[in-house]
Amino acid sequence: EAQVTQNPRYLITVTGKKLTVTCSQNMNHEYMSWYRQDPGLGLRQIYYSMNVEVTDKGDVPEGYKVSRKEKRNFPLILESPSPNQTSLYFCASSFGTAGANVLTFGAGSRLTVL
Amino acid sequence: QKEVEQNSGPLSVPEGAIASLNCTYSDRGSQSFFWYRQYSGKSPELIMFIYSNGDKEDGRFTAQLNKASQYVSLLIRDSQPSDSATYLCAVFTGGFKTIFGAGTRLFVKA
Repeated sequence: EAQVTQNPRYLITVTGKKLTVTCSQNMNHEYMSWYRQDPGLGLRQIYYSMNVEVTDKGDVPEGYKVSRKEKRNFPLILESPSPNQTSLYFCASSFGTAGANVLTFGAGSRLTVL
Repeated sequence: QKEVEQNSGPLSVPEGAIASLNCTYSDRGSQSFFWYRQYSGKSPELIMFIYSNGDKEDGRFTAQLNKASQYVSLLIRDSQPSDSATYLCAVFTGGFKTIFGAGTRLFVKA
Protein backbone atom coordinates (compact mmCIF):
# COMPACT_ATOMS: atom_id res chain seq x y z
CA GLU A 1 0.00 0.00 0.00
CA ALA A 2 1.32 3.41 -0.99
CA GLN A 3 1.70 5.47 2.14
CA VAL A 4 3.58 7.97 4.24
CA THR A 5 4.39 6.63 7.69
CA GLN A 6 5.10 8.88 10.65
CA ASN A 7 6.25 7.90 14.12
CA PRO A 8 5.49 8.44 16.88
CA ARG A 9 1.81 9.26 16.44
CA TYR A 10 1.59 10.75 19.92
CA LEU A 11 4.34 12.11 22.13
CA ILE A 12 4.49 14.02 25.37
CA THR A 13 7.90 15.38 26.25
CA VAL A 14 9.52 18.07 28.37
CA THR A 15 11.24 21.30 27.42
CA GLY A 16 14.76 20.79 26.14
CA LYS A 17 14.65 17.04 25.58
CA LYS A 18 15.73 16.34 22.01
CA LEU A 19 13.33 14.34 19.91
CA THR A 20 13.00 13.05 16.37
CA VAL A 21 9.82 12.42 14.43
CA THR A 22 10.43 9.96 11.63
CA CYS A 23 8.79 10.02 8.21
CA SER A 24 9.06 7.38 5.54
CA GLN A 25 7.36 7.00 2.16
CA ASN A 26 7.22 4.00 -0.16
CA MET A 27 6.15 5.77 -3.38
CA ASN A 28 9.59 6.78 -4.65
CA HIS A 29 8.59 10.43 -4.26
CA GLU A 30 11.30 13.02 -4.74
CA TYR A 31 9.58 15.78 -2.77
CA MET A 32 8.96 15.58 0.96
CA SER A 33 7.78 18.23 3.38
CA TRP A 34 6.91 18.82 7.02
CA TYR A 35 3.94 20.90 8.16
CA ARG A 36 2.58 21.87 11.52
CA GLN A 37 -1.11 22.48 12.07
CA ASP A 38 -2.40 24.78 14.78
CA PRO A 39 -6.01 25.89 15.38
CA GLY A 40 -6.91 28.91 13.28
CA LEU A 41 -3.55 28.91 11.50
CA GLY A 42 -3.95 26.01 9.14
CA LEU A 43 -1.00 24.04 7.82
CA ARG A 44 2.31 25.88 7.90
CA GLN A 45 5.35 24.54 6.10
CA ILE A 46 8.41 23.90 8.26
CA TYR A 47 10.96 22.41 5.84
CA TYR A 48 10.88 20.68 2.51
CA SER A 49 13.22 18.59 0.40
CA MET A 50 13.38 18.28 -3.36
CA ASN A 51 15.66 15.28 -3.32
CA VAL A 52 18.39 13.52 -1.38
CA GLU A 53 20.70 16.01 0.34
CA VAL A 54 18.55 18.95 -0.89
CA THR A 55 16.50 20.71 1.78
CA ASP A 56 15.12 24.21 2.23
CA LYS A 57 13.26 26.25 4.80
CA GLY A 58 9.54 26.72 4.74
CA ASP A 59 7.68 29.47 6.56
CA VAL A 60 8.29 28.38 10.16
CA PRO A 61 11.70 26.64 10.34
CA GLU A 62 12.91 28.07 13.66
CA GLY A 63 13.62 25.39 16.24
CA TYR A 64 13.59 22.52 13.74
CA LYS A 65 16.14 20.58 11.73
CA VAL A 66 15.75 18.06 8.95
CA SER A 67 17.93 15.76 6.92
CA ARG A 68 17.43 13.79 3.72
CA LYS A 69 20.09 11.12 3.50
CA GLU A 70 17.85 8.61 1.75
CA LYS A 71 15.06 9.24 -0.71
CA ARG A 72 12.41 7.51 1.37
CA ASN A 73 13.15 9.12 4.76
CA PHE A 74 12.80 12.69 5.98
CA PRO A 75 13.08 12.95 9.78
CA LEU A 76 12.13 16.10 11.70
CA ILE A 77 14.43 16.92 14.61
CA LEU A 78 13.61 19.16 17.54
CA GLU A 79 16.96 19.78 19.22
CA SER A 80 15.54 21.61 22.24
CA PRO A 81 11.75 21.51 22.18
CA SER A 82 9.78 24.34 23.73
CA PRO A 83 6.08 24.57 24.63
CA ASN A 84 5.34 26.69 21.54
CA GLN A 85 6.22 23.65 19.45
CA THR A 86 3.23 21.81 20.84
CA SER A 87 1.30 21.05 17.67
CA LEU A 88 0.04 18.48 15.20
CA TYR A 89 2.74 17.62 12.68
CA PHE A 90 2.23 16.20 9.22
CA CYS A 91 4.78 14.78 6.84
CA ALA A 92 3.85 14.82 3.16
CA SER A 93 5.41 13.68 -0.09
CA SER A 94 4.86 14.02 -3.82
CA PHE A 95 6.54 13.50 -7.17
CA GLY A 96 7.25 17.22 -7.10
CA THR A 97 6.06 17.98 -10.63
CA ALA A 98 5.14 21.65 -10.71
CA GLY A 99 1.84 21.13 -12.45
CA ALA A 100 0.72 18.33 -10.21
CA ASN A 101 2.43 18.62 -6.87
CA VAL A 102 -0.23 16.47 -5.23
CA LEU A 103 0.72 15.81 -1.64
CA THR A 104 0.17 12.52 0.16
CA PHE A 105 0.07 13.04 3.90
CA GLY A 106 1.04 10.85 6.79
CA ALA A 107 -1.43 10.23 9.61
CA GLY A 108 0.04 13.00 11.75
CA SER A 109 2.08 13.18 14.95
CA ARG A 110 0.61 15.00 17.92
CA LEU A 111 3.37 16.48 20.02
CA THR A 112 2.98 18.04 23.46
CA VAL A 113 5.92 19.84 25.05
CA LEU A 114 5.55 20.51 28.77
CA GLN B 1 -2.34 39.97 4.05
CA LYS B 2 -2.23 36.21 4.31
CA GLU B 3 -0.92 34.41 1.25
CA VAL B 4 -3.95 32.14 1.02
CA GLU B 5 -7.20 33.26 2.60
CA GLN B 6 -10.35 31.32 3.27
CA ASN B 7 -13.46 32.07 5.27
CA SER B 8 -13.13 29.94 8.39
CA GLY B 9 -16.87 29.28 8.55
CA PRO B 10 -18.58 27.27 9.68
CA LEU B 11 -20.58 27.03 6.50
CA SER B 12 -23.83 25.18 7.08
CA VAL B 13 -25.92 23.81 4.21
CA PRO B 14 -28.85 21.38 4.11
CA GLU B 15 -28.43 17.96 2.60
CA GLY B 16 -28.82 18.05 -1.17
CA ALA B 17 -27.85 21.72 -1.49
CA ILE B 18 -24.81 23.21 -3.21
CA ALA B 19 -21.94 24.17 -0.94
CA SER B 20 -19.67 26.94 -2.22
CA LEU B 21 -16.20 27.35 -0.77
CA ASN B 22 -13.93 30.23 -1.69
CA CYS B 23 -10.26 31.02 -1.55
CA THR B 24 -8.08 33.95 -2.57
CA TYR B 25 -4.31 34.00 -2.95
CA SER B 26 -1.73 36.77 -3.12
CA ASP B 27 1.10 35.40 -5.30
CA ARG B 28 0.33 36.04 -8.97
CA GLY B 29 3.08 33.61 -9.93
CA SER B 30 1.27 30.67 -8.35
CA GLN B 31 1.17 27.69 -10.62
CA SER B 32 -1.38 25.20 -9.38
CA PHE B 33 -4.22 25.10 -6.92
CA PHE B 34 -5.58 22.33 -4.76
CA TRP B 35 -8.52 21.49 -2.60
CA TYR B 36 -7.98 19.06 0.25
CA ARG B 37 -10.56 17.70 2.65
CA GLN B 38 -9.71 17.01 6.28
CA TYR B 39 -11.98 15.13 8.62
CA SER B 40 -11.57 15.81 12.32
CA GLY B 41 -8.49 14.03 13.67
CA LYS B 42 -7.42 12.85 10.22
CA SER B 43 -4.86 13.92 7.66
CA PRO B 44 -5.74 16.03 4.60
CA GLU B 45 -6.70 14.16 1.44
CA LEU B 46 -6.84 15.55 -2.07
CA ILE B 47 -10.21 16.30 -3.63
CA MET B 48 -8.96 17.86 -6.85
CA PHE B 49 -6.48 20.29 -8.34
CA ILE B 50 -6.66 22.87 -11.10
CA TYR B 51 -4.05 24.95 -12.93
CA SER B 52 -5.88 26.50 -15.88
CA ASN B 53 -8.46 29.24 -15.78
CA GLY B 54 -12.01 28.02 -15.87
CA ASP B 55 -13.89 25.09 -14.40
CA LYS B 56 -12.86 21.53 -13.72
CA GLU B 57 -15.45 18.96 -12.75
CA ASP B 58 -15.02 15.64 -10.95
CA GLY B 59 -18.23 13.96 -9.94
CA ARG B 60 -20.09 16.18 -7.47
CA PHE B 61 -17.14 18.55 -7.19
CA THR B 62 -16.28 21.51 -9.42
CA ALA B 63 -13.18 23.64 -8.97
CA GLN B 64 -13.12 27.10 -10.50
CA LEU B 65 -10.01 29.20 -11.09
CA ASN B 66 -9.77 32.87 -12.02
CA LYS B 67 -6.12 33.90 -12.11
CA ALA B 68 -6.91 37.54 -12.95
CA SER B 69 -8.91 37.84 -9.74
CA GLN B 70 -6.58 35.44 -7.84
CA TYR B 71 -9.59 33.43 -6.81
CA VAL B 72 -10.27 29.72 -6.50
CA SER B 73 -13.52 28.10 -5.53
CA LEU B 74 -14.93 24.65 -4.88
CA LEU B 75 -18.57 23.76 -5.47
CA ILE B 76 -20.02 20.63 -3.94
CA ARG B 77 -23.31 19.61 -5.52
CA ASP B 78 -25.89 17.42 -3.78
CA SER B 79 -24.08 17.87 -0.47
CA GLN B 80 -24.15 14.87 1.85
CA PRO B 81 -23.63 14.68 5.63
CA SER B 82 -20.43 12.74 4.86
CA ASP B 83 -19.09 15.92 3.20
CA SER B 84 -18.96 17.59 6.62
CA ALA B 85 -15.28 18.35 7.10
CA THR B 86 -12.73 21.14 6.88
CA TYR B 87 -11.77 22.08 3.33
CA LEU B 88 -8.25 23.35 2.77
CA CYS B 89 -7.28 25.47 -0.19
CA ALA B 90 -3.61 25.08 -1.16
CA VAL B 91 -1.49 26.99 -3.65
CA PHE B 92 1.75 25.79 -5.23
CA THR B 93 3.69 29.01 -5.51
CA GLY B 94 6.77 27.84 -7.33
CA GLY B 95 10.04 27.49 -5.48
CA PHE B 96 8.47 24.19 -4.50
CA LYS B 97 6.43 25.67 -1.68
CA THR B 98 2.81 24.76 -1.12
CA ILE B 99 0.93 27.26 0.99
CA PHE B 100 -2.32 26.30 2.72
CA GLY B 101 -5.23 28.42 3.81
CA ALA B 102 -6.56 28.00 7.33
CA GLY B 103 -9.53 26.01 6.04
CA THR B 104 -13.30 26.34 5.93
CA ARG B 105 -15.44 24.12 8.12
CA LEU B 106 -18.47 22.75 6.33
CA PHE B 107 -21.51 21.23 8.04
CA VAL B 108 -24.11 19.43 5.96
CA LYS B 109 -27.35 19.02 7.89
CA ALA B 110 -29.39 15.88 7.27
